[in-house]
Amino acid sequence: EAGVAQSPRYKIIEKRQSVAFWCNPISGHATLYWYQQILGQGPKLLIQFQNNGVVDDSQLPKDRFSAERLKGVDSTLKIQPAKLEDSAVYLCASSYQTSGLVDEQFFGPGTRLTVL
Amino acid sequence: RKEVEQDPGPFNVPEGATVAFNCTYSNSASQSFFWYRQDCRKEPKLLMSVYSSGNEDGRFTAQLNRASQYISLLIRDSKLSDSATYLCVVNKLDSGAGSYQLTFGKGTKLSVIP
Repeated sequence: EAGVAQSPRYKIIEKRQSVAFWCNPISGHATLYWYQQILGQGPKLLIQFQNNGVVDDSQLPKDRFSAERLKGVDSTLKIQPAKLEDSAVYLCASSYQTSGLVDEQFFGPGTRLTVL
Repeated sequence: RKEVEQDPGPFNVPEGATVAFNCTYSNSASQSFFWYRQDCRKEPKLLMSVYSSGNEDGRFTAQLNRASQYISLLIRDSKLSDSATYLCVVNKLDSGAGSYQLTFGKGTKLSVIP
């Protein structure tokens, strides 16, 4: 079974530039998550989709971050404009979750963003 | 008090040793608990779920104490391949969002030394 795919794996940009990350979840997984993991910390949830609808985006800095999940499959996360403190690994995860009970989340390899 | 708190370590133990990690959580309404493992520069992967009665998977034992809001992970007979960061994860219902949300601790780093 193919895992969660993410691209690019690495990205270096200057502050105030824009950047976009792409995620393809495991086939059949209804729920998709974007996490931000700053060095030395655990992943922090940014946004959660159930199919193509947003379930929770309470921790997404909406002034600069946006995300969409077209057709309930692939998803993109965008940062515009980027700040130095956005340097982190951006992890995409998916789960089969349909009933609201949390089941295992499968993570992609992440995109390591460096903002200079 | 942080939502999920772990001793960051690092724990440096010799091969064959037994090591225990502790985790506390602040929200008494939390419903599910997990340990995830994260290798250096890799993504987190589920190690095991934590059940109220305690559960064991080979060399790994997880315990939950709801009264004290405390979770533990015990690793027996440590192997070099156990070297990783162990993330304590707590699930709770976010009534505002109407969804279940996982909260990750910062992780405890383990290094098993030959």
